[in-house]
Amino acid sequence: NAGVTQTPKFQVLKTGQSMTLQCAQDMNHNSMYWYRQDPGMGLRLIYYSASEGTTDKGEVPNGYNVSRLNKREFSLRLESAAPSQTSVYFCASSARETYEQYFGPGTRLTVT
Amino acid sequence: QKEVEQNSGPLSVPEGAIASLNCTYSDRGSQSFFWYRQYSGKSPELIMSIYSNGDKEDGRFTAQLNKASQYVSLLIRDSQPSDSATYLCAVNIVGRRETSGSRLTFGEGTQLTVNP
Repeated sequence: NAGVTQTPKFQVLKTGQSMTLQCAQDMNHNSMYWYRQDPGMGLRLIYYSASEGTTDKGEVPNGYNVSRLNKREFSLRLESAAPSQTSVYFCASSARETYEQYFGPGTRLTVT
Repeated sequence: QKEVEQNSGPLSVPEGAIASLNCTYSDRGSQSFFWYRQYSGKSPELIMSIYSNGDKEDGRFTAQLNKASQYVSLLIRDSQPSDSATYLCAVNIVGRRETSGSRLTFGEGTQLTVNP
């Protein structure tokens, strides 16, 4: 099992460009999450999806949109990238019963 | 008040010593608690889960939970240089809407260095 996979691993965008970060899990988990991690700020939740067909805002949703494409896949879209969105983005998934979250390897995004 | 607070670091211990990492949380309804380890440049890795009061041991790691005091800790016995990492405490927050599911709130982490 690959666990949680994310693409791309690295990305550089210019201000105003758009992109979609992809995430997939093969653990048959119901819930999926998108976080960003900035130095000194810890992990902050952007959006999450408790199950296929539902999404909820987290702590820092502004500037992002998400799509829960199916049970396996959860994508994060930046419509108009800003330098403040320079960060490391992590996707995670969890089983409803244990709440244990498992993380993907992350995407390092730089917006210039 | 932050939802999850960890003892400020960085924490430095000699090899072979016990490292003690502490965390407090604000939501009395929280029922699930986790410790993650994150090496520099890597993603968080789950190392311990604890759901009921008391101690839970897994190898050199012991998690301790006291719901009355809203306190959870992680002890690392016989610390090794390979334990040098940032340790994140996470607490489960149940969503207020039926469809919201639940989410984890993370502390900012404590950086541990184990010196040979």
